[in-house]
Amino acid sequence: AQTVTQSQPEMSVQEAETVTLSCTYDTSESDYYLFWYKQPPSRQMILVIRQEAYKQQNATENRFSVNFQKAAKSFSLKISDSQLGDAAMYFCAYRSAEGYGGSQGNLIFGKGTKLSVKP
Amino acid sequence: DADVTQTPRNRITKTGKRIMLECSQTKGHDRMYWYRQDPGLGLRLIYYSFDVKDINKGEISDGYSVSRQAQAKFSLSLESAIPNQTALYFCATSDWTGSYGYTFGSGTRLTVV
Repeated sequence: AQTVTQSQPEMSVQEAETVTLSCTYDTSESDYYLFWYKQPPSRQMILVIRQEAYKQQNATENRFSVNFQKAAKSFSLKISDSQLGDAAMYFCAYRSAEGYGGSQGNLIFGKGTKLSVKP
Repeated sequence: DADVTQTPRNRITKTGKRIMLECSQTKGHDRMYWYRQDPGLGLRLIYYSFDVKDINKGEISDGYSVSRQAQAKFSLSLESAIPNQTALYFCATSDWTGSYGYTFGSGTRLTVV
């Protein structure tokens, strides 16, 4: 079974600086999707970025980018020019791309990293 | 209106009471999910459904039941609530492939006293 590990329960960053959140995963599959979700204090779950494993290019969405290392099974999220509104829980998630039936379509989540942004 | 609507937003109930959390969606998605979030444990899957005739247990289904009343509606029931079911509950949907992740509801914070 696949697992997702976020080794940093909490992190802190100064406003305007850059921070990187770590995520590693364990899988024997070669094709899959990876996601980062943001959960601000409003508790709404917001999709930040998505990566397809067969694409070598790292995904980018404005100030958010990922460092996807397939061989190392690592999927870190970099937030540049941090803003107060980036303070939130961040969850990394994995989804198999090797079938749509059964439980393979379900997302597997890490335990989350709580990011604080200091003014 | 939100794509995925959960009701109630917050609820306090007593031990032993039956409670239902409701979820409806306008995304037209086939797949619907119920997750539970606890501090330090992330999101854990309770039940998932591919269509009205297909309902499956997740990793923590004990003490819960679900009903898929229509493609757009998926409710979660706690038959006899207990304090360790105090948590934040999320409903989510995805298309058949699930390759674009989930669309989440805004969550129901349930407290069992």
